[in-house]
Parts: sequence; structure tokens; C-alpha cells
Amino acid sequence: QKEVEQDPGPLSVPEGAIVSLNCTYSNSAFQYFMWYRQYSRKGPELLMYTYSSGNKEDGRFTAQVDKSSKYISLFIRDSQPSDSATYLCAMSALGAQKLVFGQGTRLTINP
Amino acid sequence: GAVVSQHPSRVICKSGTSVKIECRSLDFQATTMFWYRQFPKQSLMLMATSNEGSKATYEQGVEKDKFLINHASLTLSTLTVTSAHPEDSSFYICSATLDSSTNEKLFFGSGTQLSVL
Repeated sequence: QKEVEQDPGPLSVPEGAIVSLNCTYSNSAFQYFMWYRQYSRKGPELLMYTYSSGNKEDGRFTAQVDKSSKYISLFIRDSQPSDSATYLCAMSALGAQKLVFGQGTRLTINP
Repeated sequence: GAVVSQHPSRVICKSGTSVKIECRSLDFQATTMFWYRQFPKQSLMLMATSNEGSKATYEQGVEKDKFLINHASLTLSTLTVTSAHPEDSSFYICSATLDSSTNEKLFFGSGTQLSVL
């Protein structure tokens, strides 16, 4: 079993839709949770960084963490074609520099 | 945000040759840099952690004699793929940390696509 599971998609939605991306994990030592956006053949870009259960909002993006269920989500409101990319979840344990990534979900927003 | 430059962005080489990839932190000093590889439609897999002035720490299964990492200064780490073979073809990405106490200050380079013929 992988430490972090993420549905690879692809996911295709119309412009303006609400997008929900999810990851589950098995390692209870993970305390820090990140969402990255990666455009094709580019490096990942940090979107959200959280370390506690609950919601964190930044503009059109909301990150949700449920440590009891070992489940994290990223919601994108009012999705735009420019949001089309691969979204990667990543996690790390307390005091650890090593990030463990999910497989990434390829998202396409159709105009 | 801080900028991490990776060069070259793409390289094609013949089997058996060596390829060097550079990773530079342009506007900050990075005591720690990381090297990942990513196969198509796959996630990033950490290969090694590179600390300035010391030997890199390799992840299990990564051949340290094949993937040579040098972190000679606070702004530069290099990854050399020695005697490259077609199975080494992959997307290689580096990252550098601005603050080793948090992963929030981790920045990625734009990646290098290596194709070995």
C-alpha cells in the first residue's frame, strides 16, 4: 500500500464548476499537508500549506484536512481554464524535510 | 517567492554518456536541496537530500554511484547521471529550502527532461 493515494484522473469539468481533489494517507505521523500545482513539464508550485485539521481558505482555493480519517481535500471554486494542470498532494512528518507526494490528479477546465 | 533555477531544461544524450544537471537558488542561500525524478503520469519520487558541504543522503534503491550529487556552495547543487541508459530517461526536478524548519519554504526548479537514446 502506498503511503499516499491520489486518484490520477484525468478530471474534466466545465469552467465555473467547483472542483474537489482528494488524497488519503496511511501514515499517522504525517502532520503537514500541502497541495501543489504542476503545469506540464514544469516544477510544482505550492498552493496551500496546512498543519491542522479543518479548513484553510486562500482566494478560490480551500484546503481541508481530516486527520481522524487520514483524508485531505482541495476545493477550487469558480474554476478557470488557467487552473488546468496536475495537482499533487504532499505530506511530511513533524520535523521531517522529506515530502511524500501523491500521484497527482490531472485536471482540465473546459471553457 | 524565491526562485530556483534548473538547467538545462531538456537534454538528449546517447547511451553511456554522462549528463550534469544544475540547480541554483537565485535569491537565497539553500543549505539543503533535494533531487526528485518523475516518470510520465507518476508522482515525484525523492532521490536524495543534498546538504552543502557534506555527502548527499540517498533514498533506498537509488544508486549513489550512478547519480552523483555535489552541493559545493549554498546556491548550487548538481546531479550527474553517469553512464546514462534509456531507463534513466525521466523528468528530474530539484528543490531548495529557504528555511529548513518548514516545508512551506520549499521551492522547486522547473525540471530537466532527460532522454537517453
